[in-house]
Order: sequence, then C-alpha cells, then structure tokens
Amino acid sequence: DIVMTQSPDSLAVSLGERATINCKSSQSVLYSSNNKNYLAWYQQKPGQPPKLFIYWASTRESGVPERFSGSGSGTDFTLTISSLQAEDVAVYYCQQYYSTPHTFGQGTKLEIK
Amino acid sequence: EVQLLESGGDLVQPGGSLRLSCAASGLTFSRYALSWVRQAPGKGLEWVSGISGSGGRTYYADSVKGRFTISRDNSKNTLYLQMNSLRAEDTAVYYCAKIGGYCDSTACYNWGWAYDYWGQGTLVTVSS
Repeated sequence: DIVMTQSPDSLAVSLGERATINCKSSQSVLYSSNNKNYLAWYQQKPGQPPKLFIYWASTRESGVPERFSGSGSGTDFTLTISSLQAEDVAVYYCQQYYSTPHTFGQGTKLEIK
Repeated sequence: EVQLLESGGDLVQPGGSLRLSCAASGLTFSRYALSWVRQAPGKGLEWVSGISGSGGRTYYADSVKGRFTISRDNSKNTLYLQMNSLRAEDTAVYYCAKIGGYCDSTACYNWGWAYDYWGQGTLVTVSS
C-alpha cells in the first residue's frame, strides 16, 4: 500500500498570510504514460463530508478559489493557500489514487493564529 | 445537481451484519465508478472499497477484504455495502463518493478516483 504522510499535523496562520501543507507518498504516484500525478486534496469542515479541491495534483476543482493551488510531482506535493481567509479553517487531506487502496494522508488541521 | 444519500447505518453487535445503501440522483448512474470511504469518530479518512460503473470490477482495503462486499444496482441508481463480521474498529461514518468527472452526449471525462461528490454519511456503531 502507498502510505501518505502529511506535514504538519496542525498549522496556525494569520489572516492574509500564506499557508503551506505538505504531503509525501511512500512511492511515486506519477503515471508515466500520461504524465499525471494521481494526487488529490480535500477540505473538510466539522460535520461535513470532504470537498474535492485539487486533482491531478494541481488542477483546481470548479468553484475552488484561486488562492488555493497544488504543486509537486512524484512523491512530494504541496497545497498552498496564498492569502488565508477565515472560511479556510478546516482539515485538509491528500489522497493518492494511483493504486488501490486509494489511501489518504492523516490530515492537517488549519487554524487562524 | 448530483446528490448521494446514504442510509442503513445503525448500532450493531460485534460479529453482526449490516447493509448500507447510497441512493444517487442527478447523474447517469451507470457511467460513474463509486466508492465507500469511512471516518472513525475524531479520526481521518479511510478508503474502504470501490466499484466500476458496470459493477464488473471491485476493489477493497485489506482491513475489510473478505468481510465487506460492494455492489450496485444500476436500474435503481443505488450503491450498496454489505458488511459482515463487524468489529469495533469498523465504527465510523460511512460516506459514498462519486469518481470525479462528467459525461456529455458523446463521451465521459474523469479525473481518476478523486471524488467530486460525497453523501452526508451514515453512522455505523459496532458495540455490545
């Protein structure tokens, strides 16, 4: 199984500042035949299901604010929020869908400093 | 708009069985792969099982293989998860989730098993 490890486990950032969450996979999730990274990011708020924010490691889902961006390739990935807003407080998960089981990271809790 | 509605969660004793359902609307159901993802109380997300649009291919996490069975009835737009030999560690909210993507009149486009629609979840509690 591919193990997904996120860092940090929790993060406190001031409003308007940049937030960065890292995700590392135990093996590459880059599929060479199409040059796509099978990596997604989700946001989950309390009492709600997860919401897809990023897929193919860097493609924003429709409706996701432009301040969210995904980057990285192979085994190392980053979710960046360029200017933190109050509504961004949530837990963020990365997920690989390169191979089954489609494992998730342990989550990163993002708070306002 | 796509909607997924889970049901069937309950309190069950260890060793017992339960069948979860996920009723879908707003999509051509048979064109999309679906999965079950669970979340234990206060914990992270765990992928449980997935099934292709036709139902011909199924996938399971090792933690549930041999105990859980995923299936779908495309005539009823419904996904199922039959759970047998339940254990305390199966206690969780179970979500059904749709593979990301869309279909138009000519073709389907998906972005792999990244899930763009989720249900609200149904709670399964395994306890004596």
